[in-house]
Amino acid sequence: ILNVEQSPQSLHVQEGDSTNFTCSFPSSNFYALHWYRWETAKSPEALFVMTLNGDEKKKGRISATLNTKEGYSYLYIKGSQPEDSATYLCAFPGSGYSTLTFGKGTMLLVSP
Amino acid sequence: EAGVAQSPRYKIIEKRQSVAFWCNPISGHATLYWYQQILGQGPKLLIQFQNNGVVDDSQLPKDRFSAERLKGVDSTLKIQPAKLEDSAVYLCASSLSGGTHNEQFFGPGTRLTVL
Repeated sequence: ILNVEQSPQSLHVQEGDSTNFTCSFPSSNFYALHWYRWETAKSPEALFVMTLNGDEKKKGRISATLNTKEGYSYLYIKGSQPEDSATYLCAFPGSGYSTLTFGKGTMLLVSP
Repeated sequence: EAGVAQSPRYKIIEKRQSVAFWCNPISGHATLYWYQQILGQGPKLLIQFQNNGVVDDSQLPKDRFSAERLKGVDSTLKIQPAKLEDSAVYLCASSLSGGTHNEQFFGPGTRLTVL
């Protein structure tokens, strides 16, 4: 059973604050690391699929980094907005198939 | 491009009753997934199809859960009989093909409450 850990479990910030979350995963047999955003009453939406050690990806105010040797990825949100409020999930395929093991997620609440 | 469709969005049943969920993946996507997300947990894969064949159903409670993907397009997931612990959001997702780098596209989910 793969162990994918996310921290913190929840986070409450003010509009304009920058924030970051952590996802840790097994460092052996790395294939890829996925980040998803899940807003309440909506479908989970893919943010990034990261594949190379040292990868850094960016989408607007959201960016992510990857360290496959030590088994962690950081997700950063710069200048948080209320519309960033969601649960952020990371997921790790533990084999050559696309079967993903998800972490429990980080629930972000951004207050105006 | 139309997204992954799921129905119903909400379902309330009593324990020991049966329930079925339907999923229509994105057109052309060969791989289809069913996940169960219990409150406070991350989504857990129940079953993965590649076209109409099962790739992984190791976490599917086969004594009560069944799924099929006839003709390699739409899929249904059934629970018979339901238990209280089956209360969860059931997510369907699809991807172009199997593979660790492929982004999965999710439907809005079905929220099941078992009383």
